[in-house]
Amino acid sequence: QLQLQESGPGLVKPSETLSLTCTVSGGSITSNTYYWAWIRQPPGKGLEWIATIYYSGSSYYNPSLKSRVTISVDTSKNQFSLRLSSVTAADTAVYYCARQWTHSGRYFDYWGQGTLVSVSS
Amino acid sequence: QSVLTQPPSVSGAPGQRVTISCTGSSSNIGAGYDVHWYQQLPGTAPKLLIHGDTNRPSEVPDRFSGSKSGTSASLAITGLQAEDEADYYCQSYDNSLSGYVFGTGTKVTVL
Repeated sequence: QLQLQESGPGLVKPSETLSLTCTVSGGSITSNTYYWAWIRQPPGKGLEWIATIYYSGSSYYNPSLKSRVTISVDTSKNQFSLRLSSVTAADTAVYYCARQWTHSGRYFDYWGQGTLVSVSS
Repeated sequence: QSVLTQPPSVSGAPGQRVTISCTGSSSNIGAGYDVHWYQQLPGTAPKLLIHGDTNRPSEVPDRFSGSKSGTSASLAITGLQAEDEADYYCQSYDNSLSGYVFGTGTKVTVL
C-alpha cells in the first residue's frame, strides 16, 4: 500500500524559507505513471495546488507562487521536497504531498496526512 | 479566489439524494479538461472520490456519481448516510492559469 509522509518544521518565521520533505513508501517515485505534487490548505479554507514534479526533474508551478517555490526530487531516497521562500502569515496552512497521475486527467489519487506549518515570529 | 465555484453548503436527510455543482468556464471545464472530486472528512486529508468526470475508484461506494456538461460538473450522492458528512471539492486544469485548480468546496450536512 502506497504511503506518503510529510516532514519538516511546524513553525517558520516571517521572511524565512519553509522546507518540507515527502517520503514515499510502498512504491517507487521513479514510476513513469505518476507525478508528485504539493497542495496546501489554510485553516478553514480550500485547497490550493502549489507544484508538481516528475522523477526526471521536470516541474510545474502555480503561477501565483512560482517566484517563491522550488520543488525537487531525490530518487535515491524516494523523496521529493518543497521550498517556499519569503513566507508570511498567509502561508500558514496544512501542506499535503500527493501522487498525481501523468495521464487520465492528472488527478491526485494518494495523499499524505498533511503537516501544519505556521508562520509566526 | 478559485475559478471553480461550488455552493458553500448542501444538506439532506438520511436516504435522500443531494447534488453538488462545480461551475467553471471555457478555460477549464468548458475546454474539455477532466473534472475530479475529493471528499475531505473532518481533520483528515482529501480522498479521491471521482476521476475523469465519471469514474469511481473501486473502493468508493456506487452511491457517489459524477457528471459533466458544458462548463459545469456535478457530484451526486444518493442514499445519503451520516458518514457522508464532509467537505467536497472539485478539481480540474485551467489553461489560462496554466495550473491545476480546485473548487471552492462544499460542506455536506446530514440532517
